[in-house]
Order: sequence, then structure tokens, then C-alpha cells
Amino acid sequence: DAGVTQTPRHEVAEKGQTIILKCEPVSGHNDLFWYRQTKIQGLELLSYFRSKSLMEDGGAFKDRFKAEMLNSSFSTLKIQPTEPKDSAVYLCASSFVWSSYEQYFGPGTRLTVL
Amino acid sequence: QQKVQQSPESLSVPEGGMASLNCTSSDRNFQYFWWYRQHSGEGPKALMSIFSDGDKKEGRFTAHLNKASLHVSLHIRDSQPSDSALYFCAASEHRNTNTGKLTFGDGTVLTVKP
Repeated sequence: DAGVTQTPRHEVAEKGQTIILKCEPVSGHNDLFWYRQTKIQGLELLSYFRSKSLMEDGGAFKDRFKAEMLNSSFSTLKIQPTEPKDSAVYLCASSFVWSSYEQYFGPGTRLTVL
Repeated sequence: QQKVQQSPESLSVPEGGMASLNCTSSDRNFQYFWWYRQHSGEGPKALMSIFSDGDKKEGRFTAHLNKASLHVSLHIRDSQPSDSALYFCAASEHRNTNTGKLTFGDGTVLTVKP
């Protein structure tokens, strides 16, 4: 079975640009999560979807971050406009709600904002 | 206050030694615990979960849960250099709340020296 796929693996953006990160969850999974990972803040939840419905939208990230789940097999995270403090690794994870709730993570997208 | 706290922040053990990682929750709603491991450049991957009081052993890894004190530990015996990674403790609410959300600690960096 294919795991969680994230593209691109690396992204370099100028301050003020709009970037879109993509995620394909494990087939059949109905929960999808976006996280931001930094050394200082650790893993921070950005958004949580269940069966394409938004369950939780990380309060601190609402203004410039927008995650969407266009169908059960594809999600995007848009950051608009980007700021240097957005430099981090963005992780996507999925899980099957009627199982153990184990989350399967993708390899992440490393974003650098200049 | 961080709801899931891990200690130590970093740990170094010799190859073949025992590594012990600790995690404490401050939220009594958390009933289910996971240990995740993240190698550099990859996403976190679940190692094991524990829901019941006592020990759970999987190969060289043993998790221990004390629900009364909300303390969970992970012990790695015969540590190998490939075990060098960032280890996360994660917790979730009782399954009856029907949420797939996990709350992660800040992690413990384990270094196994050859």
C-alpha cells in the first residue's frame, strides 16, 4: 500500500509569495491532519479533516493558512502571503477513524521563506 | 501548560545499552498513548501504542503505562545506532469522544553511540 505522499519535498519562496503544498493520504483513510514542525515549537496542528469536513482549524494559523480537502484522496495547504517565520517542515498525516487512530505521516515539505 | 511533557530532552546511550524515555500527561481525558519515532529527513512513524495499565513489549521496545499517574515510558534494550532519532509521545482522548486528534510532546532526541 502506498503511504502518505507530499509534494514538493522542498520549497523556497520569497516573502509575500503564495505557496501551495499538496498531500495524498493513505487510500481509505478518513482523517487527515496538517502539522507544522519547528525545533522551537515542535509539532503544531494546523488543520484536521474528517471525511473532507473541517473538524479543527488551528486558531493561531487562521489568517494566512488555509487547508482544503477537495476530495477524499487529495488535500492542499495554502500559505498566503508567506513570511520568513513560516520557514518550517510541513507534515501531512492520515488515519482510519475506526481503527487504532494511528496516524501515518508523509515525508514532509521543507519550506524556506527568504 | 504543555498537556504532554517528555523527559529528558536528549539522551545518549552506548550501543547495546538501555534507553529509557518518559512522558507525563496533565489531562485526565487522555487515555490512549503512542510512541512515534522520527529519523532525520523523514516523517514520524508509530512505534507502538498502549492503552492498558502495565507493560507492552514489542521486540526490543517495551512501553509501560500507569493510568493513575498518567505516566508512560518507553524502554529500548540493546540500543542500536539506527535507533538514533527523535522520539515523540502522543496522547488522545477516550475513544468515545470520537476524535482522531493526537496531542504530541516536544520529543526526546536519542543518540546511540557505536
